[in-house]
Amino acid sequence: GAVVSQHPSWVICKSGTSVKIECRSLDFQATTMFWYRQFPKQSLMLMATSNEGSKATYEQGVEKDKFLINHASLTLSTLTVTSAHPEDSSFYICSAKIAGTFYEQYFGPGTRLTVT
Amino acid sequence: QKEVEQNSGPLSVPEGAIASLNCTYSDRVSQSFFWYRQYSGKSPELIMSIYSNGDKEDGRFTAQLNKASQYVSLLIRDSQPSDSATYLCAVNGNNFNKFYFGSGTKLNVKP
Repeated sequence: GAVVSQHPSWVICKSGTSVKIECRSLDFQATTMFWYRQFPKQSLMLMATSNEGSKATYEQGVEKDKFLINHASLTLSTLTVTSAHPEDSSFYICSAKIAGTFYEQYFGPGTRLTVT
Repeated sequence: QKEVEQNSGPLSVPEGAIASLNCTYSDRVSQSFFWYRQYSGKSPELIMSIYSNGDKEDGRFTAQLNKASQYVSLLIRDSQPSDSATYLCAVNGNNFNKFYFGSGTKLNVKP
């Protein structure tokens, strides 16, 4: 149980284009999902907290107009990187938490984004 | 002051030894504590959660929590080379949706 999927697992795009990453909780409902970014040899950095049916909460320094988050259902959240640039190249990881609990976050396998 | 602090390591132990990973946190009202393992190039994987003071054992892993000292640890018995990874400590405060991650401790288990 508690499986989270992400799609795509990797993507290469040209500078200036937009990329959408999907995060799905496969066997549980997740009113809250989280989006992280991780650069090589660095720790996880929380980008935003995504709540079903409401606007995402972004961490300080994260551009909400560049990283668009939509949490349209209890099992799906999407992250769109708009007008991507090479410095956006990173490992993007989502996680989901079982609704209404203090319980664990379950991570998706991550999406490796390369912007050329 | 960071919310969650871990020694970055690397911590090197020989195969078969006990690896001890430590974590301290700053928020006294924290309620839930987690250990994640992250292999290079992969996403974190939950290995232990602990919610009350004392020890919790799961196979070769034991989590220890001391809320008075604001300290949580992870012991790995009979360490294997496959345990070599970065171990992340995470803490959940009194806000359902706020998790704080440490920067991780890199563990190397030498054959």
